[in-house]
Amino acid sequence: QKEVEQNSGPLSVPEGAIASLNCTYSDRGSQSFFWYRQYSGKSPELIMFIYSNGDKEDGRFTAQLNKASQYVSLLIRDSQPSDSATYLCAVKWDSGAGSYQLTFGKGTKLSVIP
Amino acid sequence: GAVVSQHPSWVICKSGTSVKIECRSLDFQATTMFWYRQFPKQSLMLMATSNEGSKATYEQGVEKDKFLINHASLTLSTLTVTSAHPEDSSFYICSARDPGTGGYNEQFFGPGTRLTVL
Repeated sequence: QKEVEQNSGPLSVPEGAIASLNCTYSDRGSQSFFWYRQYSGKSPELIMFIYSNGDKEDGRFTAQLNKASQYVSLLIRDSQPSDSATYLCAVKWDSGAGSYQLTFGKGTKLSVIP
Repeated sequence: GAVVSQHPSWVICKSGTSVKIECRSLDFQATTMFWYRQFPKQSLMLMATSNEGSKATYEQGVEKDKFLINHASLTLSTLTVTSAHPEDSSFYICSARDPGTGGYNEQFFGPGTRLTVL
């Protein structure tokens, strides 16, 4: 059973602060990890993906991966009210015969307070 | 790039009717598309993987005779909910894998279809 765990929140941070979102996964063989943002009533939007241990930065977003600890996180610097959404962590795994799937966590709801 | 569309964006139907949802990749060819369902305050649950030119692969617990998937071309997959019932009311989202993403195989999501069965 491939499991992806996230704290459901809500996580509330003041505007301008750093928001830290965490995710753990069960399959040690997983290679690729994705962060999606989902606004209420909308479909998920890809923010970042990461596949190597360490940090990957893209604008105000930084993804961090620690495969030994089976842990991936997303940092949002200078948080804005428009960042208020549910953030989904997804883990890619090989489902065989050249196919793959994404398993999603339940998401962490972030609220940025003006 | 990597735009995925869905149609319709919302649909209301009577119990017992069938509903077809279309998923299109607009600027790339998608050999594989995925269909998800999301109930309120829940995460996305994969229903099936749709492969162009072959039968879909359904997840455990998903009735393939109720949720018919047809991946007729490299840019179109359809999901038909047959004999829909109120418990089928949900947010249905498709995604497509863009093979031009350097091998990391990100999935890009359509805007979703909200189905309400009365």
